[in-house]
Amino acid sequence: EIVLTQSPATLSLSPGERATLSCRASQSVSSYLAWYQQKPGQAPRLLIYDASNRATGIPARFSGSGSGTDFTLTISSLEPEDFAVYYCQQRSNWPPLFGPGTKVDIK
Amino acid sequence: EVQLVESGGGLVQPGGSLKLSCAASGFTFSGSAMHWVRQASGKGLEWVGRIRSKANSYATAYAASVKGRFTISRDDSKNTAYLQMNSLKTEDTAVYYCTRPIRSGYYLFDYWGQGTLVTVSS
Repeated sequence: EIVLTQSPATLSLSPGERATLSCRASQSVSSYLAWYQQKPGQAPRLLIYDASNRATGIPARFSGSGSGTDFTLTISSLEPEDFAVYYCQQRSNWPPLFGPGTKVDIK
Repeated sequence: EVQLVESGGGLVQPGGSLKLSCAASGFTFSGSAMHWVRQASGKGLEWVGRIRSKANSYATAYAASVKGRFTISRDDSKNTAYLQMNSLKTEDTAVYYCTRPIRSGYYLFDYWGQGTLVTVSS
């Protein structure tokens, strides 16, 4: 079974700063990697799918890159509403699996 | 507008059973697979299982951690999916979300319910 590792566990930044989140897979998942955002008390929201495609309604400040085993979610300039937990998810192999998450909090 | 509304959560003793419901609206429910994902408090997300549409023979699949104990079903006439949970363990305590895949056959989830809390405790 594929293992997803996310780093860092916590990222402390200020509004306006750039956030770079990493997701690494234990074996290739091709480009079948997605990113979700989850705020406290809310369900996850799909941000990016297939490594680099923004989901409907997702602002352009969110971008994804990578393929194979190494992926990056970049938030170009943090807005106050972006402070949340971010999960990656692979759908290349069964079962679908989520990473442990990266918390982006306010510095 | 797509809406998914879970219900049926609550407190149950270890070894007990509980049945969750997910009422769907705003899309063609009968043509869509439906999935369940859970999240223990303060923890990450775990895919639980899915049921496909009638066109795909209502095929089900489950995570290893729940296989043989949980059963997913659906009633297309009521636009509702169900998660029957038997032989519950303390480690099944979590918020359970129903989700809709972005596209048939894809394990990629663009709509989620608000979740329902299941607590397994004596």
